[in-house]
Amino acid sequence: GEDVEQSLFLSVREGDSSVINCTYTDSSSTYLYWYKQEPGAGLQLLTYIFSNMDMKQDQRLTVLLNKKDKHLSLRIADTQTGDSAIYFCAEGPLAGANNLFFGTGTRLTVIP
Amino acid sequence: NAGVMQNPRHLVRRRGQEARLRCSPMKGHSHVYWYRQLPEEGLKFMVYLQKENIIDESGMPKERFSAEFPKEGPSILRIQQVVRGDSAAYFCASSLTGGAGELFFGEGSRLTVL
Repeated sequence: GEDVEQSLFLSVREGDSSVINCTYTDSSSTYLYWYKQEPGAGLQLLTYIFSNMDMKQDQRLTVLLNKKDKHLSLRIADTQTGDSAIYFCAEGPLAGANNLFFGTGTRLTVIP
Repeated sequence: NAGVMQNPRHLVRRRGQEARLRCSPMKGHSHVYWYRQLPEEGLKFMVYLQKENIIDESGMPKERFSAEFPKEGPSILRIQQVVRGDSAAYFCASSLTGGAGELFFGEGSRLTVL
């Protein structure tokens, strides 16, 4: 079956860049997603990338996809304390939310 | 403009009791999904419902678990005769048309079985 893996914890200093990594196994994935969960809140879709793209940038967020290695990363530039949250990687189709597979989530702690 | 509302946020049950988790989707959303997150694992799909219909329950355990989404009222995830292995965070999500790219999640209900 599909497997999505992430490291559990990451700590960075305020102002530094954060890089959260994710690996997946399903070579037929069409979309890869990053969700953010702030304390006491639900998961919120941050961004997604189509599997035929290598990179997507949106303000401070950069998503890199290495399809050959099945490796996805999320880079947050100039990390702020408000970025402290759990970040979930997920893969699946654009349609059909019953076919999404999530990683364990990476807890990002930003140190002031 | 309420988002997806789940309750209770925290639920403690003893082995053998029943747990009922409720989810009210975002206004206008008729597609509801339940996911479960076991400790140190990713969210796993359980069941997909539309009003009065179960569309996909391929992720539901075969016994003790059931879900419904009635014409009126919230979606309910019911776990009968809970066991310690049922301790987890249960997330509900809703969408307008069923697309994965437009899922809105609730805060989750954390079930602890003693």
